Amino acid sequence: QVQLVQSGAEVREPGASVKVSCKGLGYTFTGYYVHWVRQAPGQGPEWMGWIIPNSGGTTYAEKFQDRVTLTRDTSISTVYLELRRLTSDDTAIYYCAKDANRGTLDVWGQGTTVTVSS
Amino acid sequence: ETVLTQSPGTLSLSPGERATLSCRANRNLNSMSLAWYQHSPGQAPRLLIYAASKRASGIPDRFSGSGSGTDFTLTISRLAPADFAVYYCQQYSTSPITFGQGTRLEIK
Repeated sequence: QVQLVQSGAEVREPGASVKVSCKGLGYTFTGYYVHWVRQAPGQGPEWMGWIIPNSGGTTYAEKFQDRVTLTRDTSISTVYLELRRLTSDDTAIYYCAKDANRGTLDVWGQGTTVTVSS
Repeated sequence: ETVLTQSPGTLSLSPGERATLSCRANRNLNSMSLAWYQHSPGQAPRLLIYAASKRASGIPDRFSGSGSGTDFTLTISRLAPADFAVYYCQQYSTSPITFGQGTRLEIK
């Protein structure tokens, strides 16, 4: 069964950083892009970027360009999202999602809640 | 960036009825690069439709997508109880990928 399993909920203070993991199971991890999408309370989903697990190449949404880093460890089929300089506006559920074809997201992780609060 | 506007914001229907959800883009989408997702509370989003009209694996034929250019529609022909959720359209024609704000389908 193809699935993405994410790390648990995180609480951070403003100004801190957070790193969320996403492990791919049941498919060839290096064969498909992995995207990150977040959803803040009461808002629609927001795309943050993608990583190519095979090469480590990345593309980020301009909004997050200077605060986000996507990395991967192919030995354990895991990708990571690191978001820096957190503010309360970063409070959201963060999802990783497997790319099926040029941006179609066919399998999603269960989501990781990140709460930014002092 | 490409802005997607979904309507209505909330749709109240009864099981067995037909639902029609709209998604409008502020620019033409190449190759009908539009997808629809279903998001139920506490669950991960589920891909329903891609390339505007192609059903994803395992999706019942009650769900259908249509449209091209800037106007797209998701139709659910006979609503089942599990269909009451929030639906999002997403475009992957231009970067950044963007989503609509969603249509909440609720039981009348």
